This record gives sequence, C-alpha cells and structure tokens, in this order.
Amino acid sequence: RKEVEQDPGPFNVPEGATVAFNCTYSNSASQSFFWYRQDCRKEPKLLMSVYSSGNEDGRFTAQLNRASQYISLLIRDSKLSDSATYLCVVNPPLYNTDKLIFGTGTRLQVFP
Amino acid sequence: DTGVSQDPRHKITKRGQNVTFRCDPISEHNRLYWYRQTLGQGPEFLTYFQNEAQLEKSRLLSNRFSAERPKGSFSTLEIQRTEQGDSAMYLCASSGRRDYEQYFGPGTRLTVT
Repeated sequence: RKEVEQDPGPFNVPEGATVAFNCTYSNSASQSFFWYRQDCRKEPKLLMSVYSSGNEDGRFTAQLNRASQYISLLIRDSKLSDSATYLCVVNPPLYNTDKLIFGTGTRLQVFP
Repeated sequence: DTGVSQDPRHKITKRGQNVTFRCDPISEHNRLYWYRQTLGQGPEFLTYFQNEAQLEKSRLLSNRFSAERPKGSFSTLEIQRTEQGDSAMYLCASSGRRDYEQYFGPGTRLTVT
C-alpha cells in the first residue's frame, strides 16, 4: 500500500463550482500534513498546511480526519487559474526526519 | 528574487556521462532537501542536509549519486555514469524551521540519451 494515496483525476469542473479532493495516508502516527499545488512542468508550491482543527485560506479549506487517516481540500468558487495538480503531502513520524512523502497528485481542470 | 534557485534548469547528457546540479537555498534556511520527480508521480525524497551535515539518504540514492553541502550554504548533487532511468526533474527545497514547510526551487530537468 502506498504511503499517501490520491485519486489522480482529472476533475473537470466549471468556473464557480465547488470541488473537493481527498487523500489517505497509511501511517497513523504521521504528524504534519500539507497541500501543495503544481502547475505543468513547474515546481510544487506550498498551498497550505493542514491542522487538526481544520483551516481555511480564502476559497480553500483543508480538513484532517485522524481516525480515518484522510485529508481533504475543498475549493469554493473555482477559478480558471485553479487548474493545476494538487499534491497531498505527509511528514512521516520517524525520529529526526524532515522528508516529505508526496501523493501522485490530483489534476484539476477548471473550464469556462 | 530571494527564493530557492537551481542551476542548470535543463541538462541533456549522454548515457555514461557525469552531471552535477547546484541548489542555492533561501538564505536564512539551514535545512536543504533533494527530491526527484518523474512524469505522473509526486516528488520522491533523495537526501536531506541540516547545515553541512547530511542527515538522511533515501535508498533511491544509489552509489552513483552523491550530494554535498559545504559550509552549509549551497548544495550540489552529482550523478556519475548516468543511465536513462535517471531522466527526471531534480528538485531542491529548503526550510528554516522544524515545521516541515519546505519551499521548492524551479528544478533541473535531466534528460539522459
């Protein structure tokens, strides 16, 4: 089983729609969680960290469900510029490791 | 621009040649990471430095790969005797705190022919 699993999509949604992505992780002791955004042939850019209580940044809301070991990202009022691949990222709980484990990404295409 | 920079941005090399990539982290960041990304996959961790100390290496990092970070500033990643399977995007990231938020450079795209 992969450490971080995501539906690769693509999710094709019209402008203004609300779209949600889920991601599951295998190690229940994982401590840190993130969503990164990656445009085609560009580097990943940090979108937001995911906190236990859930957090919101403008149109983006991230949730963490430790019991079910999944993380979600909700995008409201989708814009054309939201078209990208969204990477779910987990930091494994090994002593003194800072490495990040990435999912394969979920591709979002927003159309006019 | 005070972000992470990488050089070169693209490298085409013939199988069997050696290549070296450079990464300059965000200036106040003491943690530096190398990842590799192939098409359709997320980045995979290769190695990590805290200041000049290399603290972790992935099993992906075969003995043909070596990374250094002299003086705890920029880092280099060298691949010896390149193989076609080494073709990928090599990404460098840096972090300034132990909260795991890592910021990536633009990457070096390697093509081995």
